[in-house]
Amino acid sequence: DSGVTQTPKHLITATGQRVTLRCSPRSGDLSVYWYQQSLDQGLQFLIQYYNGEERAKGNILERFSAQQFPDLHSELNLSSLELGDSALYFCASSVDGLTEAFFGQGTRLTVV
Amino acid sequence: AQRVTQPEKLLSVFKGAPVELKCNYSYSGSPELFWYVQYSRQRLQLLLRHISRESIKGFTADLNKGETSFHLKKPFAQEEDSAMYYCALPGGFKTIFGAGTRLFVKA
Repeated sequence: DSGVTQTPKHLITATGQRVTLRCSPRSGDLSVYWYQQSLDQGLQFLIQYYNGEERAKGNILERFSAQQFPDLHSELNLSSLELGDSALYFCASSVDGLTEAFFGQGTRLTVV
Repeated sequence: AQRVTQPEKLLSVFKGAPVELKCNYSYSGSPELFWYVQYSRQRLQLLLRHISRESIKGFTADLNKGETSFHLKKPFAQEEDSAMYYCALPGGFKTIFGAGTRLFVKA
């Protein structure tokens, strides 16, 4: 157990819908990362937060947004969902955003 | 620009054979590199980091600054080594991952 908790574990939703994925980082970790893993794309960095502020942005679509709350948990919001958004979404946390990242189990999103 | 390249998408070896998973990086400065492993679509786990110079599950990796490489090696592959392996470079407030190499160890 890495200490990073993601909910829900599985999510099935229809195209056009909006979902929210939740991540609780390890105790003491200030930085949260979101990654998307699809079969053909590998692990894609989406966005990173550090102590509530956005620190780095990767290949995140405009339909997607995220935030980190004062209690350091983070949410990834995916809207106007398309079939191609079906993937495993991982959250990871680290102490300072510079060192080892600990990963959650992921949320498997299926868009039908 | 920081970049991590894993040139092989798939590597298939027989049990007991040596394994080398390639990783090349692009980074200005002194990098700290990691290898992560992911078994059967589970969470990614840190396998090893170059700074600690440790050997985990028989795997080692040496940082070669001249060749900008951090290849992962194991002298004798086991079936339970079958997994996805990601080379990663933390820096600039985000960790950059390579595309990953799927290792398949055949009996």
